[in-house]
Amino acid sequence: QKEVEQDPGPLSVPEGAIVSLNCTYSNSAFQYFMWYRQYSRKGPELLMYTYSSGNKEDGRFTAQVDKSSKYISLFIRDSQPSDSATYLCAMSGDTGRRALTFGSGTRLQVQP
Amino acid sequence: NAGVTQTPKFQVLKTGQSMTLQCAQDMNHNSMYWYRQDPGMGLRLIYYSASEGTTDKGEVPNGYNVSRLNKREFSLRLESAAPSQTSVYFCASKAVSSGANVLTFGAGSRLTVL
Repeated sequence: QKEVEQDPGPLSVPEGAIVSLNCTYSNSAFQYFMWYRQYSRKGPELLMYTYSSGNKEDGRFTAQVDKSSKYISLFIRDSQPSDSATYLCAMSGDTGRRALTFGSGTRLQVQP
Repeated sequence: NAGVTQTPKFQVLKTGQSMTLQCAQDMNHNSMYWYRQDPGMGLRLIYYSASEGTTDKGEVPNGYNVSRLNKREFSLRLESAAPSQTSVYFCASKAVSSGANVLTFGAGSRLTVL
């Protein structure tokens, strides 16, 4: 069983919809939770990160962590065609050498 | 502000050939990483270097070697390429921001082994 599970999609939504992307994980030592966005044929880029449980908002994006359920979410409000990409969740237990454990990514398509 | 630069962007090899993927970062980061990305598998860590002069195995190191040439450069070598090594390879460097590991990735090197 993978440490981090993520539905691969694809998830197709109309422009303006609210998008919910999710990951579950099994390692209770994870404390830092991140979302990366990857456009086709590009490297992943960091969208946002949170520490421990709670919510964090950045513009149209909200990251949510529920450590008791080992479940994290990324919400995108007023989705745009430019949001079409693969979204990867990532997490780590500390700032140690091994960096991040990634989910396999969810491909999102926002239809104009 | 180049960030992380990888070369080559594309490469086709025959089984048994060798090659080196190059990576350089200009952000003065100590830690650097090599990942491979395959459909349905996500990003898997091959090797990492916590600082100049040190390297450690990641999740899938077999068939690869690395060299941390200096603080800026971290190369990945395939000594005898196999079709199972067909993948997209990403180099990354790490900064620590408010306690979190933040990775900056290169654009990737797409390798096909025939």
